[in-house]
Amino acid sequence: DAEITQSPRHKITETGRQVTLACHQTWNHNNMFWYRQDLGHGLRLIHYSYGVQDTNKGEVSDGYSVSRSNTEDLPLTLESAASSQTSVYFCASSPGYIYGYTFGSGTRLTVV
Amino acid sequence: SQQGEEDPQALSIQEGENATMNCSYKTSINNLQWYRQNSGRGLVHLILIRSNEREKHSGRLRVTLDTSKKSSSLLITASRAADTASYFCAAASQETSGSRLTFGEGTQLTVNP
Repeated sequence: DAEITQSPRHKITETGRQVTLACHQTWNHNNMFWYRQDLGHGLRLIHYSYGVQDTNKGEVSDGYSVSRSNTEDLPLTLESAASSQTSVYFCASSPGYIYGYTFGSGTRLTVV
Repeated sequence: SQQGEEDPQALSIQEGENATMNCSYKTSINNLQWYRQNSGRGLVHLILIRSNEREKHSGRLRVTLDTSKKSSSLLITASRAADTASYFCAAASQETSGSRLTFGEGTQLTVNP
């Protein structure tokens, strides 16, 4: 069965370190998205991609980057982790704008 | 800023009762979607209603959309304890090659047995 997987599920890192969160989907969806979820803010869009070599900034992109070298993967990199980036991160994919998203199970990141 | 805003923030009902959650959004949309999130899990897509639709049903779910008021509602009929979860609306803006979703902060629904 097709799926979308995120790894790791939990991570603790130190301030200033570079961290990469993985997202892999086997749905063959063109559209992929990264959100963070924090109490009081709901889900906020970090970066998104509509296809290979396409990446776009969302509303809270500062301090984050993504790259899309194939259809299946959209890794999210925190260039220099900050305590404000402690959050739960969700990856999602979709075949197009008239369809819903399929979400991964999330990565809980703690920056100490 | 959040496109979708849910009301109420929290709702507690008894099993068998109906639950209604409301959502408002700010700009023009292609469609509006509702998602469910169980504690510690990812979001699950429930239903999508297009901007030219006014009402849609799926099992015990009923969604309405009023584009003139920029609002939507989700009704869950005959609720069950297993419906306990957070529910989010998400507004889809149409772009040339895809669609971003902007989520509200969610409604926490508790269904008491």
